[in-house]
Parts: sequence; structure tokens; C-alpha cells
Amino acid sequence: GEDVEQSLFLSVREGDSSVINCTYTDSSSTYLYWYKQEPGAGLQLLTYIFSNMDMKQDQRLTVLLNKKDKHLSLRIADTQTGDSAIYFCAESTTSGTYKYIFGTGTRLKVLA
Amino acid sequence: NAGVTQTPKFQVLKTGQSMTLQCAQDMNHNSMYWYRQDPGMGLRLIYYSASEGTTDKGEVPNGYNVSRLNKREFSLRLESAAPSQTSVYFCASSEAYRSTDTQYFGPGTRLTVL
Repeated sequence: GEDVEQSLFLSVREGDSSVINCTYTDSSSTYLYWYKQEPGAGLQLLTYIFSNMDMKQDQRLTVLLNKKDKHLSLRIADTQTGDSAIYFCAESTTSGTYKYIFGTGTRLKVLA
Repeated sequence: NAGVTQTPKFQVLKTGQSMTLQCAQDMNHNSMYWYRQDPGMGLRLIYYSASEGTTDKGEVPNGYNVSRLNKREFSLRLESAAPSQTSVYFCASSEAYRSTDTQYFGPGTRLTVL
């Protein structure tokens, strides 16, 4: 079945770049999303990329999509302590029926 | 615009008790969703409502019921709570039920069943 995988933890120093990775199995994805969840809060949409794009840049955020390898990444430039959160990737897919599939989330810790 | 709101924020129940989680959106969205979030498992879809007047089961519907009260409101009911239902519950909405529409999430309800 469809699956979205992420590594569980990432730790970086303030000012460095963070790269959070995600792999997915369903090739019929339409959009791929990155959400941020701060402690005790809901999911906040950060950015998304259409499945026929390779890259999208939005201020400090860069999303790269390798459709051949089914690999999605989120790069955060100049990472700040306020970026500490759990980051979820998700894909919307039309395989069979429309679904929104979430990864398990990557907990990013930014060290001062 | 408040976006998606959920009540309550926190709840503790005893096994066998019932309760209803409330969700409302003010974005005039047609589709609404209920998810649960468990550690290491991401979000799993419980039920969804593609449009006002319709509801359908998601990945983990057992033990839950839903009501799409009107276009704005979508409630989730636990008839007889079990410890396995201890989780964080998120409501979401989207303009329509299609893969090109982004889902927007509420702040969540943290439920503990003793």
C-alpha cells in the first residue's frame, strides 16, 4: 500500500542549514506538502510542491522533489531556534481514491 | 478568520464514558476530516465528509461516529471510550475533496482515556 517515510530526529546548530528527507511509494501523487507542528499545537502548512515540479523556493525554505526516486526534501536555510518542531511530509494521491497520506514526522532540534 | 477551531483542547475520560469533539471552520470549505495522531505513526484518517450531507469511513473508524451538522461543523463522537483511543485528535478542512486542495488543520484535542 501507500507509505510515506521520514527519519524520526534531526539535530542542527543555529545558523546551519537543515535538510529533512521524506520518501513515498505512491507514484500517483498530485501534491506533496510540508507541515510544521510546534509543541502543543496543530499542523501549520509550510509549503507544497506540485508533483510535476522539481524545486520550489519560498524564502528560507527550499523543497526538492526527485520523482524518479520518490524522494522529497525540505531545506531550511539559516535554521533558528524557532524552527524547532516536528515536520511532517504528506502526499495527496489519486491512487484508487483520493487520499492524503502523512509521514511519521521528523523532530527537528535546533541547538543554540 | 479563525480558520479551523476545535473544542475542547484537553479532555480526560474514564473507560466507557462518551464524549463529542467539536470542530468548526469559517473558510466556507466543503470537505472536512478527522484524524488521530499517535507517536511514531503520523496522522491517520478516522472519518471524512466530502461535502455537506455526506460522511465516509477513513483508515481507522472503529469506535467512532461523526456528524456533519452543517457546512461549518463536523463533530466526532466516542460512544464508549477505551484506553486505545488516547490520542491527539485533529480536525481539518479543504475547499473540496480532491487531491489539488490543501488541508488546513485545527489546533487539536488531547484526549486521555483512563
